[in-house]
Amino acid sequence: AQTVTQSQPEMSVQEAETVTLSCTYDTSESDYYLFWYKQPPSRQMILVIRQEAYKQQNATENRFSVNFQKAAKSFSLKISDSQLGDAAMYFCAYKPGGGADGLTFGKGTHLIIQP
Amino acid sequence: DTAVSQTPKYLVTQMGNDKSIKCEQNLGHDTMYWYKQDSKKFLKIMFSYNNKELIINETVPNRFSPKSPDKAHLNLHINSLELGDSAVYFCASSPVTGGGGYTFGSGTRLTVV
Repeated sequence: AQTVTQSQPEMSVQEAETVTLSCTYDTSESDYYLFWYKQPPSRQMILVIRQEAYKQQNATENRFSVNFQKAAKSFSLKISDSQLGDAAMYFCAYKPGGGADGLTFGKGTHLIIQP
Repeated sequence: DTAVSQTPKYLVTQMGNDKSIKCEQNLGHDTMYWYKQDSKKFLKIMFSYNNKELIINETVPNRFSPKSPDKAHLNLHINSLELGDSAVYFCASSPVTGGGGYTFGSGTRLTVV
């Protein structure tokens, strides 16, 4: 079974600084997808960024980028120029390629932005 | 129009009652899911439906039963509610193929008293 591990229960960063959230996963599959979701206090689950395992290039979405290390099974999220609105729970998630499997989530990292 | 809508947003009920949570998606996705988020914020999949077929059934109590009248709807019915069922329940949908992002509903906070 696949597992996703987020080793940082909570992180704190000053506004405008950069922060990196860690995620590792375990799978025997070669084809899969990885995601970061944001959950603000409103509890809405918001897709931040996704990565296809067969692509070597790291995904980027504006201030959000990932460092995908397939051999190490690592998928960290970097948030640049942190803003107060970035404060939320961040979940790393895994999906096997093909089929309609659900997402396997990590336990989440609570990100605090200090003004 | 909301892409994935679930009702109600809040549900408070007594132990032993039966309740349902409704979910509808207008994205044309093939697969819908129910997730449970516990008090520690851990999200775990409960069920998924693909073209009206149950294709994942995690080890949840059989008091929980998903019902899908059509591809756009997946309701969650819970019998004989227990205190431990208190959680936030999320509906989601996705395309069946590829790694398209899952779209989540806004969640239903169920409190059993």
